[in-house]
This record gives sequence, structure tokens and C-alpha cells, in this order.
Amino acid sequence: DVKVTQSSRYLVKRTGEKVFLECVQDMDHENMFWYRQDPGLGLRLIYFSYDVKMKEKGDIPEGYSVSREKKERFSLILESASTNQTSMYLCASSRGGTGGQETQYFGPGTRLLVL
Amino acid sequence: QKEVEQDPGPLSVPEGAIVSLNCTYSNSAFQYFMWYRQYSRKGPELLMYTYSSGNKEDGRFTAQVDKSSKYISLFIRDSQPSDSATYLCAMSNTGGFKTIFGAGTRLFVKA
Repeated sequence: DVKVTQSSRYLVKRTGEKVFLECVQDMDHENMFWYRQDPGLGLRLIYFSYDVKMKEKGDIPEGYSVSREKKERFSLILESASTNQTSMYLCASSRGGTGGQETQYFGPGTRLLVL
Repeated sequence: QKEVEQDPGPLSVPEGAIVSLNCTYSNSAFQYFMWYRQYSRKGPELLMYTYSSGNKEDGRFTAQVDKSSKYISLFIRDSQPSDSATYLCAMSNTGGFKTIFGAGTRLFVKA
């Protein structure tokens, strides 16, 4: 079974703090993704990575950065947290390289509250 | 206009009802059409997917794609309380890097 784990289920941070969200997958997947999920807006892609040290911006990268130093680990960084970054953050991975349909496997999510 | 439109619900039905969930989309390049199910406090899980147009059946679930109308549907027969979840439609072109998700429809099946 593919397992995607996220470092925290709930986080409360103050405005201006630097926030690290970590994601680990155990299936040797090439692709990893960070989304945020907000009511009425669905899943919006922040960043994705298709290989170690490679990253691509998604639809809403502003205010975020990512790091992928090892294949199994993909980190999302909020350089200076703001209240509009209060959201559910979901990490996902997919096999990569198939050229066809790619199932994304999601972690349980991190609910971040920025005060 | 959003690339994918999905009614957020909530949709409440009695146990045993047939449920119809739908999405419309605007990008004709999409080739793969997926339905993910998300239980409360969990991440989404793939329920089923269809390539291009047509129907696909898996137990009580049937996915339909009409590319000419840019319309996809998920039917659930004999709905059960355990089907209560949020259902997200999703679509991608080949390669799978760019998967677009709908907002999700929240379904409640009452016993």
C-alpha cells in the first residue's frame, strides 16, 4: 500500500512566522505535489516536483517555496505566514513516467491556522 | 470561468437511493477523467477513472464521460451510509502533471 505521511495534522502559527510542512512517501514515486484545499475552491496546486531538486510552480505559488532534497521527501515552506494562508494543506505523490493516467496518493492533510 | 465546475452540495439522500454527481469542464485537451472520494479528516482517494469518452462500471459505481458536452458523471446505486463523503471530480491530459480538481460535492446518505 502506498503511504503518504505528513508531519503534522494540526498547526497553529503566528503571522510572520516561518512554517515548514513535511511530506514523506514510501513508494519510490517520482512526482510529488503540494495542494491547498479551501471550501468552495477545491484543491489548488501550489508546487510540484518530478525529480529530486526539481520543482515547478503550480497555480498559486506566491508566498510559498518548496524543497526536495531526497526522493521520498517534499517540504512546503511558508516564508512569512499570513492569515490568508490558513487552510488545509495536502501532499500527494504519483508514480511518474507512465505518460498516461497517474493516480495521485494523498496524505491525511495538515490543517494550518495562522493567527 | 473555472476549468472545472462542480456543485458543492450538500446532497442528502436516503439509504438505497441512486445518486448522481456531475462536473462540467472547459478544456477539451483533457483525456483522463477521475473521481476521488474524501472522507472527513482524510486525504482524497481515487475511486475510479475513465479514459476519453464512455462508461465504466465498478460495483455500485458508474462513471460516465461525454466529451462532446464536456460533462462527466458519477452514479452510485443502492447508496449506503458509508458512501457519505466528499466526491471530487478530476481531469488531466497525458503525463498527469497537471490534474485539475473540482471543488467537491458533499454527499450524506441517511440510514
